[in-house]
Amino acid sequence: DQQVKQNSPSLSVQEGRISILNCDYTNSMFDYFLWYKKYPAEGPTFLISISSIKDKNEDGRFTVFLNKSAKHLSLHIVPSQPGDSAVYFCAARIYNQGGKLIFGQGTELSVKP
Amino acid sequence: DGGITQSPKYLFRKEGQNVTLSCEQNLNHDAMYWYRQDPGQGLRLIYYSQIVNDFQKGDIAEGYSVSREKKESFPLTVTSAQKNPTAFYLCASSIGGRGEPQHFGDGTRLSIL
Repeated sequence: DQQVKQNSPSLSVQEGRISILNCDYTNSMFDYFLWYKKYPAEGPTFLISISSIKDKNEDGRFTVFLNKSAKHLSLHIVPSQPGDSAVYFCAARIYNQGGKLIFGQGTELSVKP
Repeated sequence: DGGITQSPKYLFRKEGQNVTLSCEQNLNHDAMYWYRQDPGQGLRLIYYSQIVNDFQKGDIAEGYSVSREKKESFPLTVTSAQKNPTAFYLCASSIGGRGEPQHFGDGTRLSIL
């Protein structure tokens, strides 16, 4: 039972264009969502987060959008840079279960010069 | 520099042997977590601890054991009961156990000989 799904295993984008990574979830009890970036043979690093009471959070080139009615969130990167090439994971926290996070399968982003 | 140290980076185990993966943090974080990553899959939670001398099972705890005797340390033992132990193991920590962004180590890759 995959509660957090990233249906696109990979995405290829030209440098300077927008990258849009998508994530769908099924559990209405999720109250906090996070995006992580991971390079090969390294641990994930935190990128940006959003509370379920908001619909948008922006940090520099990165913006996360949350559509609660559709149970969908997306990460926009603009403009995309070659250094953004990595695997991106979305994660969700269940209300009242401490720090436990549920992760999606990841989307591998490739930004071509 | 504050951070999370996982050792060793690569580990080989013979079938039937127990093996312990080390995780140390000097971030003064209360909560610590162990995840497993398999190819094409997201991170799955094995065990987590929100405070010293206390820990809870995650989604895939069978065949694993942990201890939390010190705030800085959260070792994971992969026992012989774990039928498919070959994976990439990631340790993380966070300030508390309320879903704050988790900081990850660089992982240990365990292989069975």
